[in-house]
Amino acid sequence: DTEVTQTPKHLVMGMTNKKSLKCEQHMGHRAMYWYKQKAKKPPELMFVYSYEKLSINESVPSRFSPECPNSSLLNLHLHALQPEDSALYLCASSQENTEAFFGQGTRLTVV
Amino acid sequence: QQQVKQSPQSLIVQKGGISIINCAYENTAFDYFPWYQQFPGKGPALLIAIRPDVSEKKEGRFTISFNKSAKQFSLHIMDSQPGDSATYFCAASHLGPYTYTGGGNKLTFGTGTQLKVEL
Repeated sequence: DTEVTQTPKHLVMGMTNKKSLKCEQHMGHRAMYWYKQKAKKPPELMFVYSYEKLSINESVPSRFSPECPNSSLLNLHLHALQPEDSALYLCASSQENTEAFFGQGTRLTVV
Repeated sequence: QQQVKQSPQSLIVQKGGISIINCAYENTAFDYFPWYQQFPGKGPALLIAIRPDVSEKKEGRFTISFNKSAKQFSLHIMDSQPGDSATYFCAASHLGPYTYTGGGNKLTFGTGTQLKVEL
């Protein structure tokens, strides 16, 4: 089973809202990732969690706040987003330094 | 030096033909080269990957060719089918041989190739 589950699939939020994206995997992977993908562009790495600790933050604005409550779950808390933050947000996981598997993404629209 | 250059940007192939997508990298520390397939509205799906200790890897109709000296790798899709119509991304990362450096698998993606297979 190579499944990474993301919820919700679609999200529309206002610029003053607070929302959260969720990601879950049950493959025993110890590294989890958040990527952002704009239309017709490649995914761009935002955060890496390794053994539930934040190991990489690619200079992402503080209105994006990641959280890793346990080894199977990864959240991305959103607050005061801008319309240009509208994108497909992808979660991925890997077994340490092996192949990474992506979820289906959350299509976020900021209005 | 972190870039991965991918070409062509778009590709139209007849059913049954061979689709070829090329990528080039600069960072000699890269040692893992996967290809991902992405359909509209979906997440990227891992297709096939290669490490630099081999020059070619084949899985079904998909083959990666790897040229370490030229720092290039390519994806060949044999007998292309309409269902293969998707966007393909090459990627590269540094995994290291056996030790885990704690950064996970930090992928650098190419710019993508939109493949259309026509009947």
